[in-house]
Amino acid sequence: KAGVTQTPRYLIKTRGQQVTLSCSPISGHRSVSWYQQTPGQGLQFLFEYFSETQRNKGNFPGRFSGRQFSNSRSEMNVSTLELGDSALYLCASSLRQVATGELFFGEGSRLTVL
Amino acid sequence: KNEVEQSPQNLTAQEGEFITINCSYSVGISALHWLQQHPGGGIVSLFMLSSGKKKHGRLIATINIQEKHSSLHITASHPRDSAVYICAVPDYGGSQGNLIFGKGTKLSVKP
Repeated sequence: KAGVTQTPRYLIKTRGQQVTLSCSPISGHRSVSWYQQTPGQGLQFLFEYFSETQRNKGNFPGRFSGRQFSNSRSEMNVSTLELGDSALYLCASSLRQVATGELFFGEGSRLTVL
Repeated sequence: KNEVEQSPQNLTAQEGEFITINCSYSVGISALHWLQQHPGGGIVSLFMLSSGKKKHGRLIATINIQEKHSSLHITASHPRDSAVYICAVPDYGGSQGNLIFGKGTKLSVKP
């Protein structure tokens, strides 16, 4: 059974650019959630999509957005990048919503903003 | 809104020692997650539990719903257990909502 796949694994952008990250969940999983991890703030919840609908959203500015497609694959987008957006971005898939579903994480996308 | 506290923040142990990591939260929850993160970033879900106790190999997780407290135990620790261990709970309790995370416990097991 294939795991959660995130692409790209590494990327470098400059301030003001935008970035799109992709997450392919485990087959059959309807929940995809996104997280930001930085040395200073630790792991923080970005948002969760379940059956193509955003169910939950963390405390992040509107520059952070996402969507989920009918095949459950999800993308997140960060517009107008800032230096502080440099982080490891992780996604996780689950059969149920994050509060009660076992999470399966991808390897993450490491974003560096210069 | 839930608050989660983990202790200790750092832990160094000798191979073979019994290890306990603690997680406390403030609002009643439906389930608590224990996660493991090795250097390099990948996160693995160790347990999701809502009551009682779960065991997987040398790892044991317990939760006390009344006291709003969970523990992760590692028996016969090994250097490969060296990692950061993180607990996570729903932010408003219940079975809905975001997840909030503890700051993590960095475990180093010396041979």
